[in-house]
Amino acid sequence: RKEVEQDPGPFNVPEGATVAFNCTYSNSASQSFFWYRQDCRKEPKLLMSVYSSGNEDGRFTAQLNRASQYISLLIRDSKLSDSATYLCVGQMDTGRRALTFGSGTRLQVQP
Amino acid sequence: DAGVTQSPTHLIKTRGQQVTLRCSPKSGHDTVSWYQQALGQGPQFIFQYYEEEERQRGNFPDRFSGHQFPNYSSELNVNALLLGDSALYLCASSLIANRAAKFDPYEQYFGPGTRLTVT
Repeated sequence: RKEVEQDPGPFNVPEGATVAFNCTYSNSASQSFFWYRQDCRKEPKLLMSVYSSGNEDGRFTAQLNRASQYISLLIRDSKLSDSATYLCVGQMDTGRRALTFGSGTRLQVQP
Repeated sequence: DAGVTQSPTHLIKTRGQQVTLRCSPKSGHDTVSWYQQALGQGPQFIFQYYEEEERQRGNFPDRFSGHQFPNYSSELNVNALLLGDSALYLCASSLIANRAAKFDPYEQYFGPGTRLTVT
């Protein structure tokens, strides 16, 4: 079983739609969580950190449920430019805290 | 302010050969991590260098080795290349802002990667 699991998609949604991605993690020692965005053949870029209290950045809302070991990302009012792969990432509280990535969920926003 | 840079951009090697990839961290960063990303997968952690030493290592064989230089730049070396080593190799840099803190979440900035093809 992978440490971080995501639905690979693709999610095909029309512009303006709301889309939600889910992610589960198996290592309860993971302390921090992030969502990264990766465009085709580009490097991953940090989208947002995820906190138990939930956090929002514009159209993006992320939520962490430690009891269920579940992380979510909600994108409201989807734009064409949101088309990308979204990577769910965990970070343990050991050593220099390597990032553990899920396989990513592909989103395609259509006009 | 220069971001993370990697060289070369693309590389084609034959099975059994050796390869060296290079990374220069973002200005002011002192920690370099290397990741391997196979097609359709998320990046997998190879190892991390800080103060010129390997500090943490993922589940990769000894064929994968690295080095960090006094200027914080880093190299990733892969010996005896296999077809399965074909991937995008990503370097990420970061800064431990408070080394005394038990835990300090910090952002890792990724370079554009080196795409390695082994034939």
